[in-house]
Amino acid sequence: GAVVSQHPSWVICKSGTSVKIECRSLDFQATTMFWYRQFPKQSLMLMATSNEGSKATYEQGVEKDKFLINHASLTLSTLTVTSAHPEDSSFYICSAIPQAGGELFFGEGSRLTVL
Amino acid sequence: SQQGEEDPQALSIQEGENATMNCSYKTSINNLQWYRQNSGRGLVHLILIRSNEREKHSGRLRVTLDTSKKSSSLLITASRAADTASYFCATRVYGGYNKLIFGAGTRLAVHP
Repeated sequence: GAVVSQHPSWVICKSGTSVKIECRSLDFQATTMFWYRQFPKQSLMLMATSNEGSKATYEQGVEKDKFLINHASLTLSTLTVTSAHPEDSSFYICSAIPQAGGELFFGEGSRLTVL
Repeated sequence: SQQGEEDPQALSIQEGENATMNCSYKTSINNLQWYRQNSGRGLVHLILIRSNEREKHSGRLRVTLDTSKKSSSLLITASRAADTASYFCATRVYGGYNKLIFGAGTRLAVHP
C-alpha cells in the first residue's frame, strides 16, 4: 500500500526553539496533505490543510504564524513549530491523499516534547 | 473542529467477546470511516462506508450507518488481545477538501 513517511518520529527541544517536521509521500504524488495534532488519550484535531504550491488553510483557532506549513513539492509538506513552548508538546500526524484521488494515507506520527 | 462523539470512551472485554463502539456526527457527510490506532502510532484504515450504504462487513468487522440519526457503529466480533487499540470514526464532509474530521475515539482493551 501507499506509504507516508514522517521525520523525525520523535524530537525533544528546548523552549523557544523551532522544530521542523517533514511529511513525505513515498510512492505517490499528493496535491493535498493534512496536519493533525493529538494530545495523550485524545482524538486527532485537524490543524491545517496543506496545498502544493499555495498557502495552507488553517482550522479555526490554529495560529498560522506559530505553525508554519510549507508544501513545496507534490511529495513533501513540512510543519514548523516556531518558538516552541511546553504546551506545544504533542503527537503530530500528517496524512496525504493521492493526486489521483482515493483514500487518505497517514504517517506514523512525530512526537514533540518541549522542555 | 471535532465532528463527532464516540461512546463508550473506554471499553474493557475478554477475548472472544464482541466489542461495539458507537459514533455520532453533526453535519452531512460524504462517507464515514473507521480507523485503528495502536498506542503512540499512526492510524490504520479499517473500513469505509458511504452515505448511501447502511451496513458493511470486512472480516470480523461490521459497520452500520444511520444517516437519519447521524450515527454509526463498529462491531468487532470474536475479539482478540491484538485488537487492543483506540478506534476512531472519521467523517469526510461535503466541500471540505476531502479532509477528515475525527471523533473522540474509544479505547478498547481486550484481556486474554
